[in-house]
Amino acid sequence: DAGVIQSPRHEVTEMGQEVTLRCKPISGHDYLFWYRQTMMRGLELLIYFNNNVPIDDSGMPEDRFSAKMPNASFSTLKIQPSEPRDSAVYFCASRKTGQAEKLFFGSGTQLSVL
Amino acid sequence: GQNIDQPTEMTATEGAIVQINCTYQTSGFNGLFWYQQHAGEAPTFLSYNVLDGLEEKGRFSSFLSRSKGYSYLLLKELQMKDSASYLCAVREMGSWGKLQFGAGTQVVVTP
Repeated sequence: DAGVIQSPRHEVTEMGQEVTLRCKPISGHDYLFWYRQTMMRGLELLIYFNNNVPIDDSGMPEDRFSAKMPNASFSTLKIQPSEPRDSAVYFCASRKTGQAEKLFFGSGTQLSVL
Repeated sequence: GQNIDQPTEMTATEGAIVQINCTYQTSGFNGLFWYQQHAGEAPTFLSYNVLDGLEEKGRFSSFLSRSKGYSYLLLKELQMKDSASYLCAVREMGSWGKLQFGAGTQVVVTP
């Protein structure tokens, strides 16, 4: 079975540019999470969805960040405009209600904003 | 919200045992998780405790005391491949499955 698929694996961009990160959760999973990981702050939850509906976006740093989940098999995290302090690894994770209570993480997107 | 504390780094010898402690404060506990993360890779699930006691899974065991807000992950018969960061994560009541992670404990296994 395919796991959580994220793209791109690496993204290098210049300050002020728009960045879009993509995620395909595991088929049948009804929860999708976006996390950000840095050395300074560790793994932080940005936003999560249940059945494609955003449930909690309190972790989104500011209005420059937005996330969508138009259907059960696709989600995007957009940063516009990007800033150097957004440089981090962004992980998408999914899980299924009632199934072993564990998150499955994608391989992450390494974002560098110059 | 939660306050999750775990040591930053631990070093142990191959074949030895290491215990990683995690303490947490939460307004409504609903589960504690341990994840393993190798450098440059995604976290992977190791264990889940919601009731007090010890859960054993091969070389790895996880313990929970809800009254003390305390958990530990025990790694036995350490192997070089166990060198990784170990993340403690807590779920709160009513949080719809949202996990908050600790900063992680870097375990270094030496020959």
